[in-house]
Formats: sequence, structure tokens, C-alpha cells
Amino acid sequence: EPEVTQTPSHQVTQMGQEVILRCVPISNHLYFYWYRQILGQKVEFLVSFYNNEISEKSEIFDDQFSVERPDGSNFTLKIRSTKLEDSAMYFCASSSDSQQETQYFGPGTRLLVL
Amino acid sequence: GEDVEQSLFLSVREGDSSVINCTYTDSSSTYLYWYKQEPGAGLQLLTYIFSNMDMKQDQRLTVLLNKKDKHLSLRIADTQTGDSAIYFCAEQSGGSYIPTFGRGTSLIVHP
Repeated sequence: EPEVTQTPSHQVTQMGQEVILRCVPISNHLYFYWYRQILGQKVEFLVSFYNNEISEKSEIFDDQFSVERPDGSNFTLKIRSTKLEDSAMYFCASSSDSQQETQYFGPGTRLLVL
Repeated sequence: GEDVEQSLFLSVREGDSSVINCTYTDSSSTYLYWYKQEPGAGLQLLTYIFSNMDMKQDQRLTVLLNKKDKHLSLRIADTQTGDSAIYFCAEQSGGSYIPTFGRGTSLIVHP
């Protein structure tokens, strides 16, 4: 069964460093998403992406964040200058050809900012 | 804004039924989801229900929706140790394709 994959599974970085989290969505999906979950808190929406542009973003997704689909398979989230409060589990998700279709989630990348 | 609430922990004995409850505030919710998260894994969609339904059954899983009270529950019959995980309730309204998640309920199944 096709699935969303994410790399790395864990990342430790120093405050102020840039990180890139990678995702490979399900191959025939067209809508892509990033969420995060700070330990013990709710899963929060960050951004959605369709047709090579951001379609919606939350107030969390500030100028420190960017997303890109550099090729036909990868979908990346970049945090330009990490802060301690960026430590969280970051989930990528994808859905097929309708915004109402169910989103399928990857296993997440646990980011720890020291 | 929309809010989804669920209790944080549930402990049951193997073989018993588990009932995980969720309340939400958005009266325009159209889809309601249950996701399962096993340790080290992502969010796995377990089941979902449309807001015009009040019950959905899928093998050991039964979802009940009380739209009037904005209450959603997930019943797992004959709970097994492999059911131990965090279960997330999520709702999605017709105006948005972004689900709002609850905090997750940790289900602990003991022998």
C-alpha cells in the first residue's frame, strides 16, 4: 500500500541553524501539508501546498518557514533559523485530487533544537 | 476558533471494550475522523464518519456521532494489546480542508 515517507526520523540541531525536513508524498497525490505536534500538545496545521504554491498557511508559518517541491517526488519544509520552541514532531501529509479527500500522514520527523 | 477535546488517558483490560470520547465545537463540521498513532509511527487513519450519519461500524470499530451534543466516540470491541496507541479525534468543516485535531487519548491495554 502506498505511504507517505519522511526523512530523517530524528534531527538534532543547534539554535539558529537551518534545517530541512523531507517528505515523499504518495505518488498520485496533488495536495501536500505540513503539521507539527509539540510534545504533549495538539497536532497543529502549518501549511498546505498545491500546484507548486502555498494554498493556505497558519499563523505559525512565519517567515522562518518555507516549503518547496524541488522535483516530482519530494516536498520539503525548511526552517531558516531554528528556535528552541521549534522542537516538535513534524508530520507531512498528502491527499489526492480533492481538498476534501482524506489526508494520509507520514511517520514524522522529531526535531530537537538545543 | 474550533476546538476538539478528548481525555488524555484510558486504561482497559485485554478483551474488554474501549470507548474513547471526543467533543468538538464547530457546528459546521462535515467530516469527523479517528486517527491512530503507534509509537514511532505517523497518524494512521482508522475511520471517519460524515456528519449526516450517526453510526458507522467497521469490524471491531464502532463510531457514534451525536451531532446535537457535538460528541463523537470510538468503541473498540475485544481490545487487544496491539490496540495500545494514541487515538486522535479530528473534525473538518465544509469550509476548510484542514482538520482540527484533539490532543489525543493514550489507550493502554493491560493483560
